[in-house]
Order: sequence, then C-alpha cells, then structure tokens
Amino acid sequence: EPEVTQTPSHQVTQMGQEVILRCVPISNHLYFYWYRQILGQKVEFLVSFYNNEISEKSEIFDDQFSVERPDGSNFTLKIRSTKLEDSAMYFCATTQQGTNEKLFFGSGTQLSVL
Amino acid sequence: DAKTTQPPSMDCAEGRAANLPCNHSTISGNEYVYWYRQIHSQGPQYIIHGLKNNETNEMASLIITEDRKSSTLILPHATLRDTAVYYCIVRVGGGSEKLVFGKGTKLTVNP
Repeated sequence: EPEVTQTPSHQVTQMGQEVILRCVPISNHLYFYWYRQILGQKVEFLVSFYNNEISEKSEIFDDQFSVERPDGSNFTLKIRSTKLEDSAMYFCATTQQGTNEKLFFGSGTQLSVL
Repeated sequence: DAKTTQPPSMDCAEGRAANLPCNHSTISGNEYVYWYRQIHSQGPQYIIHGLKNNETNEMASLIITEDRKSSTLILPHATLRDTAVYYCIVRVGGGSEKLVFGKGTKLTVNP
C-alpha cells in the first residue's frame, strides 16, 4: 500500500527556535492535513490544505504555524517560535479526493521542545 | 467535539471476534461512519467506512443499525497485533472535511 512519508521521525529543539516538519504525500493525492497528538491525549486537527490554500484550520493553528507545498511534492508545517506546549507527535495525512475518501496518515514526527 | 460515544476499553481473546460498539445518535443523513485505529503511537490507520449499508473488507466488517444511530466494528479473528485504540468518527463525505477524533476504545487482545 502507498505510504505518506514524514521526516524527521524525531526533532528536538530549544524553545523559541523555528522548526519545519516535512511530509511527502502519496503521489496523486490532492488534500493534505496536519494533526498533532500530545502524549496521552486525543489526536487533534490542525489544518487542511487543498489547491495551495488552507481550507480549514483549528484554534491551535495560530500565527506561529504555517503550511506550504513549496515544490509541488513536499508538504511542510513550520512552527515559527516553538513553545514547550508544542511538544507532541505531529502527523501528516493525505487523501486523493476530499469526497468520501480515506485519509492516509504518516508515521509522525515526535517534536520535543526543551 | 467528537459526535460519537465509545466504551473506553475492551478485552478480547486471541482468535475470537472483537465487536466494538459506537453510538452516533445525532448523525446526519449525509454523514458517513469511519473507523480508524492507532497502534501504540503510530499514525492512525483507516479500517473501514459506510453510510447505511453494512460493509466488509479484508480487515473488518461494519454493521450500521437501520436508524443509523449506532454501529459495530467487527474484527472476525482478533490477533495480538490488533491491540490498538479504535476510533469511530462521523464525517460528511465531501470537500476537505477533517476527521474529529474522540478518545476511542482501547482494545486489548489477550493470548
């Protein structure tokens, strides 16, 4: 089965630093998402992205967060100035079409902010 | 908030069927029922989804009641590798609508 690839698998950073999490979607997928999961808590939606625009974002996705697909392949999540509470597992998900399609999730990037 | 209610945990013996219930009494006519699972801290994995008819694939069966207010995910022969958190999610089948995860059911398959 095709896979969504996320890099790095682990990222350790100092508070206030910028981080970029990368995702390679499945090749013919058009809809992209970022989710996160703080240890022991629910999987939370951050943002959805389609046709080079944000479709929807949650309250968590504030001005410190941004997404882009700079080269038509990688889909990135940038956190401009990390906080301790940004420590979480971040999952990228993609789907071919938005309608009635299953989401494929990557294996995640564990972000630790010190 | 999640629109579904699931028991927090269940146990099942290896080789037996695991039946995971889900209540979604406020489901709308255009909302599908999706099931995902998360093994340890891995990314959620799609299992199955349906609108109103029962569905079966290589992983599981989905039984949806006639009034669509509840459903049951059936893993016919559970293995130790099926130990995971199972999420029942309702989602409109259109656009780029997100999945809203609840706390799910922690299924433990025992040898």
